[in-house]
Amino acid sequence: DQQVKQNSPSLSVQEGRISILNCDYTNSMFDYFLWYKKYPAEGPTFLISISSIKDKNEDGRFTVFLNKSAKHLSLHIVPSQPGDSAVYFCAASNTNAGKSTFGDGTTLTVKP
Amino acid sequence: DGGITQSPKYLFRKEGQNVTLSCEQNLNHDAMYWYRQDPGQGLRLIYYSQIVNDFQKGDIAEGYSVSREKKESFPLTVTSAQKNPTAFYLCASSPTSNNEQFFGPGTRLTVL
Repeated sequence: DQQVKQNSPSLSVQEGRISILNCDYTNSMFDYFLWYKKYPAEGPTFLISISSIKDKNEDGRFTVFLNKSAKHLSLHIVPSQPGDSAVYFCAASNTNAGKSTFGDGTTLTVKP
Repeated sequence: DGGITQSPKYLFRKEGQNVTLSCEQNLNHDAMYWYRQDPGQGLRLIYYSQIVNDFQKGDIAEGYSVSREKKESFPLTVTSAQKNPTAFYLCASSPTSNNEQFFGPGTRLTVL
């Protein structure tokens, strides 16, 4: 049973517009959520995170929203740039578990 | 430079041979992780270690083994018992088990 799901395998947006990447989770014990960005043949790099005590965290062009009642989080990128084209992974963890569970990723393509 | 390194980047082995993938970090992180990524899929946790001389099985530990004799090193052995070992292997570390993870560049293992 997949506990973290990214239901959109791919997303294409125009440069300058908003990119919205979605993530759903099933385990109510998750209390920390992260987004990572990954280029082909490289390791992922950390992008932004949010604790379950918050519903929004912003860092520059990147904002993560958390809706605990819906067990849903989203990553907003505004404005989108061609260099944002990559695979984005959502991850969730339980403070006591010591590990993260990753979604399957969404491939974002930003067209010039 | 501080970071996490994996070697080699590409590795070829014959079926039935054990192979050990290297992972070293000089970030003074307590926690280290091994993931496997298959095409079109997310990161699946193989093993993780929250502290030296201790490690736990992840979601897909069968056919793999690890050791954590030093804080800086977390080698992964892919044994002949692993039925489908060809994959992209990623090592990561984090300050504690509840922080964002820093990933290495990955090792692509191909078993012929």
